Amino acid sequence: TAGITQAPTSQILAAGRSMTLRCTQDMRHNAMYWYRQDLGLGLRLIHYSNTAGTTGKGEVPDGYSVSRANTDDFPLTLASAVPSQTSVYFCASSETTGGPYNEQFFGPGTRLTVL
Amino acid sequence: AQKVTQAQTEISVVEKEDVTLDCVYETRDTTYYLFWYKQPPSGELVFLIRRNSFDEQNEISGRYSWNFQKSTSSFNFTITASQVVDSAVYFCALRGSNFGNEKLTFGTGTRLTIIP
Repeated sequence: TAGITQAPTSQILAAGRSMTLRCTQDMRHNAMYWYRQDLGLGLRLIHYSNTAGTTGKGEVPDGYSVSRANTDDFPLTLASAVPSQTSVYFCASSETTGGPYNEQFFGPGTRLTVL
Repeated sequence: AQKVTQAQTEISVVEKEDVTLDCVYETRDTTYYLFWYKQPPSGELVFLIRRNSFDEQNEISGRYSWNFQKSTSSFNFTITASQVVDSAVYFCALRGSNFGNEKLTFGTGTRLTIIP
């Protein structure tokens, strides 16, 4: 089972350019998440989606947008990238956001460098 | 607000030694869930364990064990007879149950290095 796939694996992006990070899961999980991982800060939630058609803001949403047109896909878009968005981005999913069966499973990550 | 503190930024031990990774959490929710994840050098995040707040039984899985103590708000992780493959960054995380606290809050991680 593939689980969660992310693309691209890594990317160098010029400041001011836009980019969409892709995330697809094949576990039919309702909830999906985007995190960024920065040294010394752990993982911080950017945006989440409880179910297809709904999204919500996490801890650090500014400069990012998401959509959830279907269960499997949860793309993250940077409309105009800035160097502070240089980070490793992880997509995750869980059966639900509520209840006991909510451990999150993570994709392999996308390393983004904004110059 | 919820908070997870992993005070140990980096730990190094010699192979076969036991090592304990500390995790202290803060939450006002009466029902909550605690997690440990492993991030090996390859970068992926691997789920290790979930513990519910209403179940204080400690758990052992092979060389791994977890000590959950509500009285001290701690959920510590012990590796017995450590091996080089245990070298990784380990994250403790907390999820509440009340509105606004349903998302995972991660600690900043502990980098564990096992010296051969």
